[in-house]
Amino acid sequence: DTGVSQNPRHKITKRGQNVTFRCDPISEHNRLYWYRQTLGQGPEFLTYFQNEAQLEKSRLLSDRFSAERPKGSFSTLEIQRTEQGDSAMYLCASSNYRDRNTEAFFGQGTRLTVV
Amino acid sequence: QKEVEQNSGPLSVPEGAIASLNCTYSDRGSQSFFWYRQYSGKSPELIMSIYSNGDKEDGRFTAQLNKASQYVSLLIRDSQPSDSATYLCAVNGRDSGYALNFGKGTSLLVTP
Repeated sequence: DTGVSQNPRHKITKRGQNVTFRCDPISEHNRLYWYRQTLGQGPEFLTYFQNEAQLEKSRLLSDRFSAERPKGSFSTLEIQRTEQGDSAMYLCASSNYRDRNTEAFFGQGTRLTVV
Repeated sequence: QKEVEQNSGPLSVPEGAIASLNCTYSDRGSQSFFWYRQYSGKSPELIMSIYSNGDKEDGRFTAQLNKASQYVSLLIRDSQPSDSATYLCAVNGRDSGYALNFGKGTSLLVTP
């Protein structure tokens, strides 16, 4: 049983460039979450999918951020026109959602540095 | 208003002692409560979940939930230096469609 897999593990990009991250959830999990974490803070919710449907998106999320999960399996998170404030760890988690009492498991994260 | 509150610490305890970590939350509709452990530079690792009032024990860890007081805690018995990490409290949040809302975490240092 492989866990949640995220690629790349590290990304350095210049300000203004676009970046895309990939997340492969645990195979039978129907929910997939994206979080962002900066130093000294807890993970901040960005968005989540149930199967291929994007059910919730944080009100704080800039429209430069977009996420997809086209076939209900892997997901991508794209950040357009990156800014230095986007530097953070981007975390993906998945769960096998049956009710609200569902445990979520995280991938290793993608650390983004915008220079 | 922050929905999940934790004391940032650091909380320092000697090896072998009991570490007590606390968390309060604001959403009375929350039903699921989780504790994650996060080592520096790593991703969060789930260690405990609790859904009903009372205590839940798993090895050296005990989670305690009091929904009336909107309070959840984690006790670590016989603390070891390897327990030194940041402990994140997470609560399912109605505002985010029941995705998890996290506190900032409490840094725990277990000294030999």
